[in-house]
Amino acid sequence: DGGITQSPKYLFRKEGQNVTLSCEQNLNHDAMYWYRQDPGQGLRLIYYSQIVNDFQKGDIAEGYSVSREKKESFPLTVTSAQKNPTAFYLCASSWVTQPQHFGDGTRLSIL
Amino acid sequence: QKEVEQNSGPLSVPEGAIASLNCTYSDRGSQSFFWYRQYSGKSPELIMFIYSNGDKEDGRFTAQLNKASQYVSLLIRDSQPSDSATYLCAGTSGTYKYIFGTGTRLKVLA
Repeated sequence: DGGITQSPKYLFRKEGQNVTLSCEQNLNHDAMYWYRQDPGQGLRLIYYSQIVNDFQKGDIAEGYSVSREKKESFPLTVTSAQKNPTAFYLCASSWVTQPQHFGDGTRLSIL
Repeated sequence: QKEVEQNSGPLSVPEGAIASLNCTYSDRGSQSFFWYRQYSGKSPELIMFIYSNGDKEDGRFTAQLNKASQYVSLLIRDSQPSDSATYLCAGTSGTYKYIFGTGTRLKVLA
């Protein structure tokens, strides 16, 4: 079945630690996205990538980093510089201007 | 700042009624619009998408787009308690970016 797989489902970060969230898609989509959702809020764009080896900052990129070494994969690292990382993180993919498909999300909390 | 705005709700409708959800957008260049349903604690699920002015129907759902008024709406006919969720409106901004509204919470009362 085609889709987007995010892992892990739950993640806990210690003070000063970097953590990496995984996102893999087998939909052959060119574009991939990372969003952050806080309780009762909409989706805010962290980073997006149009093609392999290229990505752009979204509205809230500070404290995050990404890579796009393969078309299928777009991991997100939450660095220690992100002081308020507790949120629901959603990965999405799409073709140009077509509907986005979302993974099941990763819920990140601080220990 | 390009925006998509929605009333946060909750919008309460009785079972069997029509639920009407509305959204306005600021970017006149937006071409494509999407409605997602999000249950609490889950990821968004695509309900409808619309690219042209007018109405688009799919089962109990109808999406309406008016580009002159920069207005998008979603009608849900014969609302069911299982339709209770938050509905997110989104529009494209440029070639690759999507702008999401903060969502409208719908409650269908049995």
